[in-house]
Parts: sequence; C-alpha cells; structure tokens
Amino acid sequence: QKEVEQNSGPLSVPEGAIASLNCTYSDRGSQSFFWYRQYSGKSPELIMFIYSNGDKEDGRFTAQLNKASQYVSLLIRDSQPSDSATYLCAFPPGGGSQGNLIFGKGTKLSVKP
Amino acid sequence: EAGVVQSPRYKIIEKKQPVAFWCNPISGHNTLYWYRQNLGQGPELLIRYENEEAVDDSQLPKDRFSAERLKGVDSTLKIQPAELGDSAVYLCASRKEGLAEAFFGQGTRLTVV
Repeated sequence: QKEVEQNSGPLSVPEGAIASLNCTYSDRGSQSFFWYRQYSGKSPELIMFIYSNGDKEDGRFTAQLNKASQYVSLLIRDSQPSDSATYLCAFPPGGGSQGNLIFGKGTKLSVKP
Repeated sequence: EAGVVQSPRYKIIEKKQPVAFWCNPISGHNTLYWYRQNLGQGPELLIRYENEEAVDDSQLPKDRFSAERLKGVDSTLKIQPAELGDSAVYLCASRKEGLAEAFFGQGTRLTVV
C-alpha cells in the first residue's frame, strides 16, 4: 500500500514567519511530488511540484525533496493570513509524473495576524 | 478558459436512494479523475479515465458505484443505493496529456441521511 504521511496539525505560525510543512512517502519508486492547497470548503489547487532532489523555489514557496530519506517539504516564507489553509502532499505511485495521485491527509496551517 | 465544472454543488438524499454527479472537464483534457474526500482526509481516487477508457477503477466500490465517460468528454458518477457512509465531497479533476498538473472542480458535497 503506497502511503503519504503528513502531520495533520494544526500548525500555527505568526504572520511574517516561515511555515514548514512536511511529508514522508513510502514508495521509493516515486519520482514526482505535488503540493496542493485547499481552502476550507474549496477544492484543491496545485501550488508546486518537484521532481529532482534539492530545492525548487516559486515566489514565497520552496519545495524541498530528499529521495534518500523519502521526505518532501514545503516552506512558506513571509507567511500571510491568506496562506491559512490545508496543504496536501501527493504523488503518483510507481514513478512517472502523471497518472493517479495518492494524497496525504493534509496539514492545516493557520497564520495569525 | 473555463475550469472543471461539476454539478450539483450540494445534494442531500435519503439512504437507499440513487444519486448522480456530473463533471465537464477542461476542454482538451483527456484524463479525468473522480475522487472522494471525507472530512479531514485527503482525496481518494475512485476512478481514472484516459479519454473514454476507465484505466483504473480498482478503488471504485462496484457493487453500488458506477461511472461513465461517453465520447471521452463529460462524465457521470452514480451511486445506487446510497449509504450513510457515502456522505463526502466528490471531486472531479482533469489533466491534459503530457502535463503534470491536474485541475479540480468545486466538488459535489453529498449528504446521505
């Protein structure tokens, strides 16, 4: 059974701080990882994906991947109250970048003004 | 460009009744997914279509759930008869061939009473 583990939170950070969201996965063959953001009552929206070991930056967001440790993280710099949402980690099992996505349960982030 | 459109947005039915959900994917997206999301959980795949072919329906409870994607565009997901445990948000997503990102519709929130 391919699994994704996330701390459900809630993770509470003050406005302007760095929020760190973590995810571990069980499938060593996985090659790509996705971070989705889901506001309460809304559908998930993709914010980043990463294929290679190391860091990938997009604005205030940085995804970090360590395949040896089967660990992927999302850093949000200068956190804003509008970042308050549930962040879902996902990956397509068996490698590749397409196909099905297995989602974690999500980490609920709360950014306090 | 219009996003993934789902209807209805909300549905309340009594147990043992049938229910159907409809999804119109983004134009040109050949891959269509149906996911189910329970409260506090990540989305779980029910079925994936590549054009009109169901390529992965291993998680679809076939005794009561059925889906179709005639002509490889719109899709319907049906539950008959519904059970209390089917209460969840049913999400449809679509993806264009060759691209990693899947786009989600707003979902249908089903309540079985």
